[in-house]
Amino acid sequence: SQTIHQWPATLVQPVGSPLSLECTVEGTSNPNLYWYRQAAGRGLQLLFYSVGIGQISSEVPQNLSASRPQDRQFILSSKKLLLSDSGFYLCAWSGRGTYGYTFGSGTRLTVV
Amino acid sequence: KQEVTQIPAALSVPEGENLVLNCSFTDSAIYNLQWFRQDPGKGLTSLLLIQSSQREQTSGRLNASLDKSSGRSTLYIAASQPGDSATYLCAVAGNTDKLIFGTGTRLQVFP
Repeated sequence: SQTIHQWPATLVQPVGSPLSLECTVEGTSNPNLYWYRQAAGRGLQLLFYSVGIGQISSEVPQNLSASRPQDRQFILSSKKLLLSDSGFYLCAWSGRGTYGYTFGSGTRLTVV
Repeated sequence: KQEVTQIPAALSVPEGENLVLNCSFTDSAIYNLQWFRQDPGKGLTSLLLIQSSQREQTSGRLNASLDKSSGRSTLYIAASQPGDSATYLCAVAGNTDKLIFGTGTRLQVFP
């Protein structure tokens, strides 16, 4: 069966520090991968999605970047965090042709 | 641009009631619609997935319907329980395979 792992679960980082959040999928190959952010009291916003290794599409201009170095690995990064980067970050995958999404357990990021 | 709206934003009901949560979307050219549940501070759990060619899906006490032409979906929860308390999110996927979310309905079921 397919599983998705996301870590860390919580993170407190000072303003200006770097960020790296990792997401891996098991039990499937060539998945579509996504990063979403949920700010306090707001809906889910799609940040990045990837249909293959090295293929990244950005949905909104921001202080973040994403990379997909391996088929089932998706990384969210920042060189210098801003207070506005605080939020709940969720990774998700979908299989080609099935269209259903499966989400990871999320990372609560607080920038102080 | 696809927009997804959920009504009501919040709902508080006594245990045992049957509930209807509503979701509407502006672009009817969708591939599927998915209902999720989110507990506080947790990730999303998929409840039901309805393909564009389907009219409804059922899982236990949950039933979701889809009327693509009118841009509407409803999630019906039968005999609600306190354990059903959570935020319910509706999301639609179009031909880009990107999932667009509504802002959710926060449900509280009290004993």
